[in-house]
Amino acid sequence: DTEVTQTPKHLVMGMTNKKSLKCEQHMGHRAMYWYKQKAKKPPELMFVYSYEKLSINESVPSRFSPECPNSSLLNLHLHALQPEDSALYLCASSHGAHTGRYEQYFGPGTRLTVT
Amino acid sequence: QQQVKQSPQSLIVQKGGISIINCAYENTAFDYFPWYQQFPGKGPALLIAIRPDVSEKKEGRFTISFNKSAKQFSLHIMDSQPGDSATYFCAASLPLGRLYFGRGTQLTVWP
Repeated sequence: DTEVTQTPKHLVMGMTNKKSLKCEQHMGHRAMYWYKQKAKKPPELMFVYSYEKLSINESVPSRFSPECPNSSLLNLHLHALQPEDSALYLCASSHGAHTGRYEQYFGPGTRLTVT
Repeated sequence: QQQVKQSPQSLIVQKGGISIINCAYENTAFDYFPWYQQFPGKGPALLIAIRPDVSEKKEGRFTISFNKSAKQFSLHIMDSQPGDSATYFCAASLPLGRLYFGRGTQLTVWP
């Protein structure tokens, strides 16, 4: 089973709202990722959690706040977003650093629209 | 600076033909090269991947060719089908697992 699940599938929020995106995997992976993808572009890395610790933050604005409650769950908390933040938000997971296994598996994404 | 260069940006192939997408990289520290297939509105799906100690890997109709000295790798889709119409991304990974994506190739297979 190589499934990564994400909820919700679609989200529409105003610029003053607070919302959260959720991601879950049960593959025993120890690295989890958030990516942002705009139409016709490749995924852009936002955050990496390795063994439940934030290891990479790609200079993402503070209106995006990641959280890794445990090794299976990853959240992305959203606050005061801008219309240009509208995109497909992808979660991915992999076995983790130093395992020698680099396959990253992506979830279906959350389509976010900021109005 | 783009770490992985991918071409062509778009590709139209007749059903039954061979689709070829090329990628090139500069960083010799990359040691894992996956290809992802993405349909509209879906997440990227891992299609096939190769390590630099192997020159070719085949899985069904999909083949990766890898040229370490030229720092190039390519995806060949044999007997292309309309269901293969999607966007394909090559990528390269550093040993700690961070992926660098190419810009993508939109493949259209005409019936």
